Amino acid sequence: DARVTQTPRDKVTEMGQEVTMRCQPILGHNTVFWYRQTMMQGLELLAYFRNRAPLDDSGMPKDRFSAEMPDATLATLKIQPSEPRDSAVYFCASGSGGNAFFGQGTRLTVV
Amino acid sequence: GQQVMQIPQYQHVQEGEDFTTYCNSSTTLSNIQWYKQRPGGHPVFLIQLVKSGEVKKQKRLTFQFGEAKKNSSLHITATQTTDVGTYFCAGQRGAQKLVFGQGTRLTINP
Repeated sequence: DARVTQTPRDKVTEMGQEVTMRCQPILGHNTVFWYRQTMMQGLELLAYFRNRAPLDDSGMPKDRFSAEMPDATLATLKIQPSEPRDSAVYFCASGSGGNAFFGQGTRLTVV
Repeated sequence: GQQVMQIPQYQHVQEGEDFTTYCNSSTTLSNIQWYKQRPGGHPVFLIQLVKSGEVKKQKRLTFQFGEAKKNSSLHITATQTTDVGTYFCAGQRGAQKLVFGQGTRLTINP
């Protein structure tokens, strides 16, 4: 079964540390999304790429967050420096033709 | 910017009762999608609606897309405990980003 793979599954880090989350989209999918999910805010779109080009990252705090796709098999989301309010589940999803297939998520806890 | 509102936020039903969640967009959509997220899991794609007035069925689930392509609904007939989870709608305009509603969390009394 083709699936979106995210690493790590869980991450606990201290405030101020850099956090990098990785995503391997489904082969052949040309769109990659990064979402953040919290109880209060629901599913927020942070960034999305089409054919590796960033199309919209308006939902992402630019001062500390960055998203890249160094190649078609890897998307990264980086937070530097991390803060306790960044604690959430971060989902990567890929698609082609509109719908999105989600990875299992990275549960980030910043203490 | 594009907004997608979903109601209700929570719904608790007895097993066997029906359930409906509603989704409204501030703008006309090119398509609307529905996802289900089980507790502790990730959103899973259920269906995509594209045409004005479209109705699609998946077993006990009925999905509708409004005539104006700004609203949608998901109806579950005779809920079962396996239906527990949060149901999200997500709207898209053209090639633009997929915007999710806040979700409706469904819990069921067996």
